Amino acid sequence: LAKTTQPISMDSYEGQEVNITCSHNNIATNDYITWYQQFPSQGPRFIIQGYKTKVTNEVASLFIPADRKSSTLSLPRVSLSDTAVYYCLVGEGNYGQNFVFGPGTRLSVLP
Amino acid sequence: GAGVSQSPRYKVAKRGQDVALRCDPISGHVSLFWYQQALGQGPEFLTYFQNEAQLDKSGLPSDRFFAERPEGSVSTLKIQRTQQEDSAVYLCASSLPRGRDTQYFGPGTRLTVL
Repeated sequence: LAKTTQPISMDSYEGQEVNITCSHNNIATNDYITWYQQFPSQGPRFIIQGYKTKVTNEVASLFIPADRKSSTLSLPRVSLSDTAVYYCLVGEGNYGQNFVFGPGTRLSVLP
Repeated sequence: GAGVSQSPRYKVAKRGQDVALRCDPISGHVSLFWYQQALGQGPEFLTYFQNEAQLDKSGLPSDRFFAERPEGSVSTLKIQRTQQEDSAVYLCASSLPRGRDTQYFGPGTRLTVL
């Protein structure tokens, strides 16, 4: 089973760039890396997905090294509203025994 | 609707009661998922439908849990004889059937069993 490991929590200040790294040593060839964000009292929301190198959208960037054993979600210039739990998942599709939400990383953005 | 909706948003049940939780997926979304989320934990997979077919129910914790999607749209998660350990947020998500499509989550139903 591909398993992911991420820090349990992180603190940051408004305006800073935040990088959350996820380890997935057993990632399979066909697996993609997907990140979700969850605010209190809401369901998770898709942020970004990638397979290799770098992916960027209007919300975040995802950096994936050549060996794909880890990935880093980068949030530029965070604001208080970015306080949330961030989940890293790996899997061939959007479902399956590998596509597992772990405990995630609880990001607290401070003023 | 614009997103996945779930009802009720909050449910309080006495131990031993049966409950039914409803999920209205995004129109046209073939795939539907149910998750259970305990406080401070990530969502845990319960079951998966493609249209009306329940393709995977391996995550249902006991035979007291039952899910259905008879017409391939609305889904109901039923919990019989609720126990205190069933207290959690139950999340529903839907997606298009293509393998890596984004799951769109509803706001969840918070179930409290007293």
